[in-house]
Amino acid sequence: GAVVSQHPSRVICKSGTSVKIECRSLDFQATTMFWYRQFPKKSLMLMATSNEGSKATYEQGVEKDKFLINHASLTLSTLTVTSAHPEDSSFYICSARGPNTDTQYFGPGTRLTVL
Amino acid sequence: AQSVTQPDIHITVSEGASLELRCNYSYGATPYLFWYVQSPGQGLQLLLKYFSGDTLVQGIKGFEAEFKRSQSSFNLRKPSVHWSDAAEYFCAVGAGAGTALIFGKGTTLSVSS
Repeated sequence: GAVVSQHPSRVICKSGTSVKIECRSLDFQATTMFWYRQFPKKSLMLMATSNEGSKATYEQGVEKDKFLINHASLTLSTLTVTSAHPEDSSFYICSARGPNTDTQYFGPGTRLTVL
Repeated sequence: AQSVTQPDIHITVSEGASLELRCNYSYGATPYLFWYVQSPGQGLQLLLKYFSGDTLVQGIKGFEAEFKRSQSSFNLRKPSVHWSDAAEYFCAVGAGAGTALIFGKGTTLSVSS
């Protein structure tokens, strides 16, 4: 089946620094990717929808200047957490949808810890 | 408002026993319904999905789910649980299979021997 990878799987950074998370579709082209955030014991919350070659669409309450999303190619989307703070610590999960598929595939997630 | 409710936060089942995980949804349009399983260090894996047709859907790993429109429910079942089924289970709803999804808070399944 289709595989989506995320890198890194785990990252620890200092408060005030920026962190980039990559989401790659390994064996298919993804015209649309979604970024979710998962808090402990909570559901996945959609942060933004990313379409290749266009600006991401952010959900209400998500700061687009803080969570920068770039979807420059059909196999790669990146999420950059700028000026990270401890409250940004979370599990970030991406999913990817191919142009001819009627489903989406999830990456394994990235655990971000901001000290 | 659109939402998914999984009433059970944590369930423990003996190995070999049957399982039912509850899911209720609130959605304005015709819902596309999903069950995903998440194991530590693993991505979300799709167990099954319902779009239309037969309200009893079969999925992978011996799971099935039944859509009941009158009850706005989509409960997941398995007749005999294996220790490897211990994981986090999420019910989700969306406008389509490839669209952004609304997830429930998940149910943690523990399997006792």
